[in-house]
Amino acid sequence: GAVVSQHPSRVICKSGTSVKIECRSLDFQATTMFWYRQFPKQSLMLMATSNEGSKATYEQGVEKDKFLINHASLTLSTLTVTSAHPEDSSFYICSAMGGANTGELFFGEGSRLTVL
Amino acid sequence: KQEVTQIPAALSVPEGENLVLNCSFTDSAIYNLQWFRQDPGKGLTSLLLIQSSQREQTSGRLNASLDKSSGRSTLYIAASQPGDSATYLCAVIDSGYALNFGKGTSLLVTP
Repeated sequence: GAVVSQHPSRVICKSGTSVKIECRSLDFQATTMFWYRQFPKQSLMLMATSNEGSKATYEQGVEKDKFLINHASLTLSTLTVTSAHPEDSSFYICSAMGGANTGELFFGEGSRLTVL
Repeated sequence: KQEVTQIPAALSVPEGENLVLNCSFTDSAIYNLQWFRQDPGKGLTSLLLIQSSQREQTSGRLNASLDKSSGRSTLYIAASQPGDSATYLCAVIDSGYALNFGKGTSLLVTP
């Protein structure tokens, strides 16, 4: 299947700093990528839909100025958590639709963010 | 808004048993339904994808069915093994390609 790579897998930062997470589709082009957040023992929650070359669409309750999403190319989307606080500590996962036009979504390995 | 429910929330079975995980959704206008496996602290592994026009998909010991009209999907695992222990997530994909996840079923297969 298609491969989605996410980096970094783990990051620890101080409160008030910004953290960037990258999501790459390695062997296909992805016009649309999705960003999810998962708190412990909770299901994944969609944060935003990232479209190449245009502004991301954010889900209700997700602060677009805090979670900056850039999808500048067909193989890369980035999520920047700005001025991170401890409550932003979570598992962030991206996904992209595979190139076979089946509608199957492939996920990155996830990024564990810990804000001290 | 699409709501996805998975039952049971947790399941413990002895090795070798066949088992069924259930997923229900409220809006039958779906694009796809996908079953995933998540190991602790890890990302998601896609198990089976069922497109809206299909009724079931099989991969090895796994079989997933889809009944759009009743808003249900089941994941059947045959001859369970300890390595199957994980959380299984059902996700419904809408026409905008966004996923709505259930809360998952935590499966423990004991030797």
